[in-house]
Amino acid sequence: GQNIDQPTEMTATEGAIVQINCTYQTSGFNGLFWYQQHAGEAPTFLSYNVLDGLEEKGRFSSFLSRSKGYSYLLLKELQMKDSASYLCAVQDSNYQLIWGAGTKLIIKP
Amino acid sequence: EAGVVQSPRYKIIEKKQPVAFWCNPISGHNTLYWYLQNLGQGPELLIRYENEEAVDDSQLPKDRFSAERLKGVDSTLKIQPAELGDSAVYLCASSPSTSSGGANEQFFGPGTRLTVL
Repeated sequence: GQNIDQPTEMTATEGAIVQINCTYQTSGFNGLFWYQQHAGEAPTFLSYNVLDGLEEKGRFSSFLSRSKGYSYLLLKELQMKDSASYLCAVQDSNYQLIWGAGTKLIIKP
Repeated sequence: EAGVVQSPRYKIIEKKQPVAFWCNPISGHNTLYWYLQNLGQGPELLIRYENEEAVDDSQLPKDRFSAERLKGVDSTLKIQPAELGDSAVYLCASSPSTSSGGANEQFFGPGTRLTVL
């Protein structure tokens, strides 16, 4: 079967760094996405990785290891507005997104 | 550029009643998705369209759910009759085309929050 695993909830302090992990087992692989979803809102795109390594975009970075079926999202200089759920999704061989349940990130002052 | 438009934003109905949701994707986007999302969960695909063709409806409960995308633009999702367990957020998303490969980013609408009493 297809499976995406990520922690249910994480807590971090404003100004700090947090790493959200995602492991996956899917039928084929055509890239991994990270989306941000604020409470009551729609998911919005953060990053896409298809090759191994680190992709940096401002305060957010995403890493992929295809051999390990592993990715992480790194958030630096945390701000209160970063409090949200972070969804990991893998694009399978049919270009369908397989979604994780999301990690709720709580930022404390 | 206008984003994905959905209506209504909220709907409250009694069980066994019908309900319909409407979605207008981003102009030029060939692929349209309907998802269901429960609280604390990721989106679950109900149906995916490439233009007017439903290319993946394997997760759509066809005994009560139906969808259409006439002319390959906007789409409607219908539930008839609704059950208590159908209470959820129904998200519509669009993307340029899955056949183009690469970073096939999906753009989501605001969703319709359905409550079945």
